[in-house]
Amino acid sequence: GESVGLHLPTLSVQEGDNSIINCAYSNSASDYFIWYKQESGKGPQFIIDIRSNMDKRQGQRVTVLLNKTVKHLSLQIAATQPGDSAVYFCAENSDQFYFGTGTSLTVIP
Amino acid sequence: GAVVSQHPSRVICKSGTSVKIECRSLDFQATTMFWYRQFPKQSLMLMATSNEGSKATYEQGVEKDKFLINHASLTLSTLTVTSAHPEDSSFYICSASGRRGYNSPLHFGNGTRLTVT
Repeated sequence: GESVGLHLPTLSVQEGDNSIINCAYSNSASDYFIWYKQESGKGPQFIIDIRSNMDKRQGQRVTVLLNKTVKHLSLQIAATQPGDSAVYFCAENSDQFYFGTGTSLTVIP
Repeated sequence: GAVVSQHPSRVICKSGTSVKIECRSLDFQATTMFWYRQFPKQSLMLMATSNEGSKATYEQGVEKDKFLINHASLTLSTLTVTSAHPEDSSFYICSASGRRGYNSPLHFGNGTRLTVT
């Protein structure tokens, strides 16, 4: 299957700071990408998505950036809060979803 | 928002027995459901894709006779782990999509923690 990977396995940030989580994908034909948040013992929760005809999309406190030239995706979380502590996955959608390794985000109060 | 219910949330079984996990879409019709497996501190590994009314498509390396998938209706898919062994202990997660193909986010269940003793 396609390879979707993350650059950093762990990330610690101070409460109130901004967080940036990165993801690399390998299938240049992919045209839809999603970020998920997974808390311990739970299933992944949809955060934000972006289609390949866009390079930026904003949600509430989150922004996803897509660089198709280098096949890179990032998730920015503004004013990170303790409740943001979780594992974050990017996923690439064709007929199936393949997930990257995941980045564990820890917010330090 | 779309809700996917997975049951049971935890199950402990003895080696050699079979376990059935249910995945239901509560407020939408799921034309496609996906089954994932997740080991501690690792990513979700796609096991199989099931489309309502047809046979499941299994990923390479996943034994279809061991992990039986049934998607008999637009709201229910089941995964049966047959003759379970301790190495089958894992976190199994289902997800569902309301539309086939592209540009449709998956909605996930809360997973089933399987422990085989």
